[in-house]
Amino acid sequence: GQQVMQIPQYQHVQEGEDFTTYCNSSTTLSNIQWYKQRPGGHPVFLIQLVKSGEVKKQKRLTFQFGEAKKNSSLHITATQTTDVGTYFCGYLMTTDSWGKLQFGAGTQVVVTP
Amino acid sequence: DAEITQSPRHKITETGRQVTLACHQTWNHNNMFWYRQDLGHGLRLIHYSYGVHDTNKGEVSDGYSVSRSNTEDLPLTLESAASSQTSVYFCASRKRGQDTQYFGPGTRLTVL
Repeated sequence: GQQVMQIPQYQHVQEGEDFTTYCNSSTTLSNIQWYKQRPGGHPVFLIQLVKSGEVKKQKRLTFQFGEAKKNSSLHITATQTTDVGTYFCGYLMTTDSWGKLQFGAGTQVVVTP
Repeated sequence: DAEITQSPRHKITETGRQVTLACHQTWNHNNMFWYRQDLGHGLRLIHYSYGVHDTNKGEVSDGYSVSRSNTEDLPLTLESAASSQTSVYFCASRKRGQDTQYFGPGTRLTVL
C-alpha cells in the first residue's frame, strides 16, 4: 500500500534554532496527521490537514499540506527543550475510511541547550 | 476522566509462552488498534477492530490475535512468544468519524 517517508530520520537542533521535518508520499493523500511522542511516552495527536495547500499553526509549530497533497511539513521556530521527541506523520488509508492510520517512521528530534 | 489504559506496563516472558496484553478505554470508541514500535520502523499496525466482534489483521499480524467481546476492551494475545516480538506495544482508540486517535501509555514486552 501507500507509504510515507519522513525526512530526516534524526534531527539535532540547537535551542533557539528553527528546523523543518518532512513527510513525503509517492501518491496523493486524502489527509495527513501529525503526532508527537516524548521520550518514554506515547504518541499524542497534534493536528490533521485535509486541504491542498493548507497551513495551520500551533504557537511555534507550523504545519503545511502540499498543493499536490503528496507531502507535508512541520516547521518549528525557536526550538525549545520541550520540543524534544519523535514526530510522526500518518494518513487515513483511502481504502478504509473508518479510521485506519498508516504512519511514517518518524523524525527523532534532539535539542541541545 | 475518560482514558485508555494498558496492562501490564512491563512484561518479561520466555520464548514459547502465551502472553496477553490488555487494553481498556472508557470513551466508548468504536475503533481500537494495536501497534508495535521498534527503532527505525515507527508504528506498525498489528490488528484493529471497528466494533464488538469485529477484528481485522494489520500489516504485521503473524503470531498475534485479538478479540473484541465488548466496546471497552481489545486484548492482544501472542500465541507463542518469539524473541522477534520484543517491542513496545501501543493500544489506541478513535471515535468513528473524528480526527484524533488516542494512544495508551504502552507495554514494554521482552521475550527471552
